[in-house]
Amino acid sequence: EIVLTQSPGTLSLSPGERATLSCRASQSVSSSHLAWYQQKPGQAPRLLIYGASFRATGIPDRFSGSGSGTDFVLTVSRLEPEDFAVYFCQHYGNSPGTFGQGTKVEIK
Amino acid sequence: QVQLQESGPGLMRPSETLSLTCTVSGASVSSGSYSWSWIRQPPRRGLEWVGYVYYAGSTRYNPSLKSRVTISVDTSKNQFSLKLRSVTAADTAVYYCAVSPSPIDAFDIWGQGTTVTVSS
Repeated sequence: EIVLTQSPGTLSLSPGERATLSCRASQSVSSSHLAWYQQKPGQAPRLLIYGASFRATGIPDRFSGSGSGTDFVLTVSRLEPEDFAVYFCQHYGNSPGTFGQGTKVEIK
Repeated sequence: QVQLQESGPGLMRPSETLSLTCTVSGASVSSGSYSWSWIRQPPRRGLEWVGYVYYAGSTRYNPSLKSRVTISVDTSKNQFSLKLRSVTAADTAVYYCAVSPSPIDAFDIWGQGTTVTVSS
């Protein structure tokens, strides 16, 4: 089973700043099968990025994904107030699909 | 637009069988264009994929739960369901149903989630 490790655990930033979130896989994974989700308190996760770099429908272009092999990054170019949330990466494409433990982006 | 809505018992006793239902609108559960999954999230923890049902009733489960889980579809009600046998406190979680274009795609639509608490 592929283990995904996200860092940092918590990121304290101010609105307007850039957020850079990391997701490292325990072994090389296909970029086609790496996703990022956003989860706000009391809500279900929302798909942001699939295939490592493709934005899901309706996702603003301040969100971008990159990476390959074992290292993937989610970048939020300029944080808006609604972007403060928990972010999960996920490897899919086999079973079981695994999730990272999450990175919380909080207001500094 | 596909929409999902979970329903379930809320509170359970240890050793009971958990039964959850996900009602689907905007798509047919019998369609080969979707894979229907369950995912859970224990309190203050991350996400765990439970399993899926796909076209013609094909299923796959998380190996850690495989001996206790059954996922099935009810085409007459346009629903899919989760049964988890012999629950313990470790099964306490928010349970989400979700849909993806296939078993090897990301989950692009989620239900709002239903909380299940296992306690004696």
